[in-house]
Amino acid sequence: EVQLVESGGSLVQPGGSLKLSCVASGFTFSNYWMDWVRQTPGKSLEWIGEINTDGSKTNYAPSIKDRFTISRDNAKSTLYLQMSNVKSDDTAIYYCTRAGTYWYFDFWGPGTMVTVSS
Amino acid sequence: DTVLTQSPALAVSPGERVSISCRASEGVNSYMHWYQQKPGQQPKLLIYKASNLASGVPARFSGSGSGTDFTLTIDPVEADDTATYFCQQSWNDWTFGGGTKLELK
Repeated sequence: EVQLVESGGSLVQPGGSLKLSCVASGFTFSNYWMDWVRQTPGKSLEWIGEINTDGSKTNYAPSIKDRFTISRDNAKSTLYLQMSNVKSDDTAIYYCTRAGTYWYFDFWGPGTMVTVSS
Repeated sequence: DTVLTQSPALAVSPGERVSISCRASEGVNSYMHWYQQKPGQQPKLLIYKASNLASGVPARFSGSGSGTDFTLTIDPVEADDTATYFCQQSWNDWTFGGGTKLELK
């Protein structure tokens, strides 16, 4: 059974940093591109970024580019999202997702909540 | 960005057929996907590439469309289908619709 479990979400002050993790199991992690998607309190979904199978290539949404960094450790089957210089607009549930063949998201973790507030 | 527009809410009776629409601001070929999200849960993939049923999804769910207009159909609707349904395109980067909240009468 495919499982994705995020952790690391918390309350953080504007301008601060936070690192999210996602542990994967039930599939060969190193064979899949992985993505982060977030959901705002108003329930809108926004794609954050993606990473290729060996971690050598990443793509980001313009709204977070140069502030967030996606990385992975295939030996630990773990995906990361390093967030820096966070803003109130970054308040959201952050989901780790597995990318399907046509760039849909075929499995999602339960999410981890990030709240940016002073 | 490619904007996806969905109706905000629908109400139907169990046993009926319901169609949920998603309109793209520009053509996305057939790269449209549908998700179901129940309260307090993460989204779940239902349909990929416009009309392909994801693994384990009941055959009551189906998808159609291409270009700019797409439809998710549930027939017949069951009580457990109460949820918000999102469309997502992957032809021009990745964007999501605002979601359609399905309520049962």
